[in-house]
Amino acid sequence: DIVMTQSPDSLAVSLGERATINCKSSQSVLYSSNNKNYLAWYQQKPGQPPKVLIYWASIRESGVPDRFSGSGSGTDFTLTISSLQAEDVALYYCQQYYRTPRTFGQGTKVEIK
Amino acid sequence: QVQLQESGPGLVKPSETLSLTCTVSGGSVSSYYWSWIRQPPGKGLEWIGYIYYGGSTNYNPSLTSRVTISVDTSKNQFSLKLTSVTAADTAMYYCASSAGDYHWFDSWGQGTLVTVSS
Repeated sequence: DIVMTQSPDSLAVSLGERATINCKSSQSVLYSSNNKNYLAWYQQKPGQPPKVLIYWASIRESGVPDRFSGSGSGTDFTLTISSLQAEDVALYYCQQYYRTPRTFGQGTKVEIK
Repeated sequence: QVQLQESGPGLVKPSETLSLTCTVSGGSVSSYYWSWIRQPPGKGLEWIGYIYYGGSTNYNPSLTSRVTISVDTSKNQFSLKLTSVTAADTAMYYCASSAGDYHWFDSWGQGTLVTVSS
């Protein structure tokens, strides 16, 4: 299985400040034939299912605010919230869809400082 | 995007079979890949497996001996059966769709909590 490891487990950021979440995969999720990284980011608010924010490591889902961005390649990825808003308080998960079983990171809890 | 809704018993006894159904609306179950994902209380997400409308399945090796996912095109539904459940199977169970095999989960149901207890 591809193990996804996120860091940190939680972070507290002031409103308007930048939040950065890292995700590391135990093997590369970059497919060389199409140069795509098979990596998605999800946001989960309390009592709700996860919602996709980013796919192909850096493509924002339609309707997702542009303060959310994804970067990275191979085994190391980052989700950045450029200016944290109150509604961004949530759990964030990375997930690889390069191989089965599909696997998720353990989650990162983002709170307001 | 399709809308998904899980249904099934919220309480299952140990050693019995957990059975859930996901009803698809706004699209046809005869396309896409249909997954089950679970989340134990306060824990992370675990992919259980998927079915493709043609009937092909792919299960998480950690559960493959106990899992069956099936599709019912006449009802536009797909289902999960998990046998020999224990307390460790207590979780929120989500159904989700993917537009292709190597694709993220683009739609999710609201989830249904299943508790395994006598």
